[in-house]
Amino acid sequence: EVQLVESGGGLVQPGRSLRLSCTASGFTFGDYGMSWVRQAPGKGLEWLCFIRSKTYGGTTEYAASVKGRFSISRDDSKSIAYLQMNSLKTEDTAVYYCTRDGPGYSGYEEIDYWGQGTLVTVSS
Amino acid sequence: SSELTQPSSVSVSPGQTARITCSGDVLAKKYARWFQQKPGQAPVQVIYKDSERPSGIPERFSGSSSGTTVTLTIRGAQVEDEADYYCYSAADNTLGVFGTGTKVSVL
Repeated sequence: EVQLVESGGGLVQPGRSLRLSCTASGFTFGDYGMSWVRQAPGKGLEWLCFIRSKTYGGTTEYAASVKGRFSISRDDSKSIAYLQMNSLKTEDTAVYYCTRDGPGYSGYEEIDYWGQGTLVTVSS
Repeated sequence: SSELTQPSSVSVSPGQTARITCSGDVLAKKYARWFQQKPGQAPVQVIYKDSERPSGIPERFSGSSSGTTVTLTIRGAQVEDEADYYCYSAADNTLGVFGTGTKVSVL
């Protein structure tokens, strides 16, 4: 059974940093791309970023809204994907989900499984 | 445009058919998938590749595509199908893009 468990959320002041983790199990983590998606309170879903498998060099893609501030990475030996968030703003307040994507170069087109999400609140 | 537009809400009586549309230029070139999200829960995939149904998803869920519009159909809607539904696809510039979301009420 595919399982994704996010952690690392919490209350953080504007301008500070936070790192989220997504621990995966139930599949060969290194074979798949992974994404992060967020949902602001009462709002819709927003795709944020994607990391390819090592087959494609573990290269990354970002939405314009977070490019330069957020960074996605992975540790295949631990089956963990990370989201490093810097210079946080109040509008970054949201539930952050990690997703399992497809194994291919454009794997972000093939989101299938989601974690339960972790809440990040940016407030002074 | 890389936007995916959905109706904000759809209402249906139990046992009737609900249809949710998702429109966007990218859908003429890319597959879409649909996610169901119940309050306080993570999204769950109900349709992929426009019309394929993952294992474990009831047969009353189906998908179709025509030009720049994809449609999620729930035949014989049940009370437990009340949820928000989002389409998702890929665009050349924005990469991953979600639809605006549709709240389905079964009452």
